[in-house]
Amino acid sequence: QKEVEQNSGPLSVPEGAIASLNCTYSDRVSQSFFWYRQYSGKSPELIMSIYSNGDKEDGRFTAQLNKASQYVSLLIRDSQPSDSATYLCAVNSSGNTGKLIFGQGTTLQVKP
Amino acid sequence: DARVTQTPRHKVTEMGQEVTMRCQPILGHNTVFWYRQTMMQGLELLAYFRNRAPLDDSGMPKDRFSAEMPDATLATLKIQPSEPRDSAVYFCASGLDTYQPQHFGDGTRLSIL
Repeated sequence: QKEVEQNSGPLSVPEGAIASLNCTYSDRVSQSFFWYRQYSGKSPELIMSIYSNGDKEDGRFTAQLNKASQYVSLLIRDSQPSDSATYLCAVNSSGNTGKLIFGQGTTLQVKP
Repeated sequence: DARVTQTPRHKVTEMGQEVTMRCQPILGHNTVFWYRQTMMQGLELLAYFRNRAPLDDSGMPKDRFSAEMPDATLATLKIQPSEPRDSAVYFCASGLDTYQPQHFGDGTRLSIL
């Protein structure tokens, strides 16, 4: 069973700090990786996509991918209370079949 | 912004009844996905289509669930007969292709009594 693992949290950070969210995956042939944010009672919302090793930055968000170590991370700089949500890591299994495997999510709490 | 549209948003029905959920993917997206989310299992892929052809429905209990895409603007997920354990939020998502990001609809919150 291909798996995606995340620490369920909650991860609590003060406003203005950097939040670091981590994800490991078991399928070595995975090629596309996504981070989604989900507020309570809402649908998952795409935050970042990353396909190559290294860092990808978009505003306050940076996704990091290391295929050799099979991990993906998301950094949120200058965290705001509005960032408080569950962050889901998703991995496209068996290459790019479209079959996303989701982690259970990490709950982030940003305290004012 | 283009969005995936799902109907109904909420559905409460009794065990044994047929349930039909509908999804309109984002125009131009050729892949459509059905997911189920529960507290215990998280987000699970039930079935998905590419260019209206079913690619994988291995996540779906086939004795009671069926997924179809009668045209490019409509995907359906049916449960017949429904059971209390089917209570969950069902999401539809669409993407430009299998390796592209998937965009989710608002979901159907289903309660089977």
